[in-house]
Amino acid sequence: EAAVTQSPRNKVTVTGGNVTLSCRQTNSHNYMYWYRQDTGHGLRLIHYSYGAGNLQIGDVPDGYKATRTTQEDFFLLLELASPSQTSLYFCASSEELGGGEQYFGPGTRLTVL
Amino acid sequence: GDSVTQTEGLVTLTKGLPVMLNCTYQTTYSPFLFWYVQHLNEAPKLLLKSSTDNKRTEHQGFYATLHKSSSSFHLQKSSVQLSDSALYFCALTYRGSALGRLHFGAGTQLIVIP
Repeated sequence: EAAVTQSPRNKVTVTGGNVTLSCRQTNSHNYMYWYRQDTGHGLRLIHYSYGAGNLQIGDVPDGYKATRTTQEDFFLLLELASPSQTSLYFCASSEELGGGEQYFGPGTRLTVL
Repeated sequence: GDSVTQTEGLVTLTKGLPVMLNCTYQTTYSPFLFWYVQHLNEAPKLLLKSSTDNKRTEHQGFYATLHKSSSSFHLQKSSVQLSDSALYFCALTYRGSALGRLHFGAGTQLIVIP
């Protein structure tokens, strides 16, 4: 089974703080995704990527940057965190384009005070 | 644009009863539909998927049939168990979708009581 890990698992920061969420997948998947999960909204796509150096904008990108440094590693950056970014963040990866299963990491719970 | 609608936010059922969780979608392309399940404090996991019209797909006692005529992919089970309590997401993609991105519904929380 595909393995996706995320760190940290929990993070508390203050408004205006700088936060980096990390995601690593060890299955040589080309596609990686960052989502946020909020009650009543399901999973919303922030950024996604096909390979190192590639970045695509999702549905809720405001306030987030992302970088794909290698095929394995995908980072989500919050440079000026706001309370509205308090959420549960999931990273996912997929091997197959269009119809392929996405494998999710365990999630990072971020609280912005 | 592409979207998924799950009409029930919360479904509470007694163990042993049947369940149907609704999912309808909107797209102009040939769709792939998925159901993901998320148990408490866990990551979402694929439950089942389909792209074939009018063919029933089954996994772990759950089943769904993609009906392109009505743009629906409802999830059903004939007898729910306590362990089925979870958050269920319906999701949509299509061949040619940008980098295989999924469009998720808002989710349906299923609570099964003894």
